[in-house]
Amino acid sequence: GAGVSQTPSNKVTEKGKYVELRCDPISGHTALYWYRQSLGQGPEFLIYFQGTGAADDSGLPNDRFFAVRPEGSVSTLKIQRTERGDSAVYLCASSSDAGRSPLHFGNGTRLTVT
Amino acid sequence: GQSLEQPSEVTAVEGAIVQINCTYQTSGFYGLSWYQQHDGGAPTFLSYNALDGLEETGRFSSFLSRSDSYGYLLLQELQMKDSASYFCAVPHGSGNTGKLIFGQGTTLQVKP
Repeated sequence: GAGVSQTPSNKVTEKGKYVELRCDPISGHTALYWYRQSLGQGPEFLIYFQGTGAADDSGLPNDRFFAVRPEGSVSTLKIQRTERGDSAVYLCASSSDAGRSPLHFGNGTRLTVT
Repeated sequence: GQSLEQPSEVTAVEGAIVQINCTYQTSGFYGLSWYQQHDGGAPTFLSYNALDGLEETGRFSSFLSRSDSYGYLLLQELQMKDSASYFCAVPHGSGNTGKLIFGQGTTLQVKP
């Protein structure tokens, strides 16, 4: 596609619910990243995929967070038993060559947990 | 640990020049990147410095001094559309996988 697409753009959910956030990277980009951005802060790394496998998930805050990329393209970030502290903008980025090419970010999903 | 420091806010007038500084602490160094983010928008890549010196791309330039663990972004001929947040970033941890740690961002306000 023309750019990284993330859906939904906004998600409001109740505390304790399960949410899924979707990312469709730029076609052909093998590296995919999830970041989280709180108001007034820089993006914070969550997880990185190279192809279908999670190459580095060291940024996931706890086991309520999980991400998949089953076919090496679209990725889904899943959050179980959401908490109010999970409220943030979740950004997805892709790159054609991890570490050698810049990150291309989507507009993010703004998650609000009430 | 790894960290980056940059000013939280900068204000300048249209047509002026502004410099946004960034100092970093890393365990290994694989380059300093700059990203621009407008309110509600996606961070957009601006520049990357792996070696010392100045890299120029149109109105924007970026400088790096590895010995000082310091870099800056220089914006010339400021336009209203340059009002945005600017983030410096370095690779996180060992190796260069594209996993970045970002500074807290500098909000640039351009006034008429």
